[in-house]
Amino acid sequence: TQLLEQSPQFLSIQEGENLTVYCNSSSVFSSLQWYRQEPGEGPVLLVTVVTGGEVKKLKRLTFQFGDARKDSSLHITAAQPGDTGLYLCADSGSARQLTFGSGTQLTVLP
Amino acid sequence: NAGVMQNPRHLVRRRGQEARLRCSPMKGHSHVYWYRQLPEEGLKFMVYLQKENIIDESGMPKERFSAEFPKEGPSILRIQQVVRGDSAAYFCASSPMGSEGYTFGSGTRLTVV
Repeated sequence: TQLLEQSPQFLSIQEGENLTVYCNSSSVFSSLQWYRQEPGEGPVLLVTVVTGGEVKKLKRLTFQFGDARKDSSLHITAAQPGDTGLYLCADSGSARQLTFGSGTQLTVLP
Repeated sequence: NAGVMQNPRHLVRRRGQEARLRCSPMKGHSHVYWYRQLPEEGLKFMVYLQKENIIDESGMPKERFSAEFPKEGPSILRIQQVVRGDSAAYFCASSPMGSEGYTFGSGTRLTVV
């Protein structure tokens, strides 16, 4: 059974600071997805990465996929209160079901 | 184009009652998935359905839980004889055929009292 570990579990920073959160898998990812979930809502897909070493940018968010496809990082530049939420990584696997990590709860203080 | 619609948003049931959770996928999406999010835990896969077919129910508890996606109408997740441990947020997601991209609904928060 694949295990996804996310770190840190909780992160509280001031507006304007930079941060990085991590996702590590016990086995090679099929394809890695990052989601953000706000309180009372469902997860929203941010990005899908497939190729080892791939880097994708989404405005102030930079997603990096490890060369061995077993780890990933999400870097946020100049964080804003609107970035607050639960950041989840997930592997799509081969059976169309997603395996999620337990998430990083980010709070950006104004 | 409306997103994935789940209702009710909140559901309170007494122990032993039945809970029925509904999910209407996005227009054009033929795949539906149900996930459960327990307090302090991540999202866990329950079941994957296409119209009139259960494709993968490996995440469903063996008893009391069932799911369907009829030819007409929404997908239904049914929990019989609910217990306190069933209290959780239940999320539905949908995707078009051949795509790994999911769109999640806002969830149904079930509270068993």
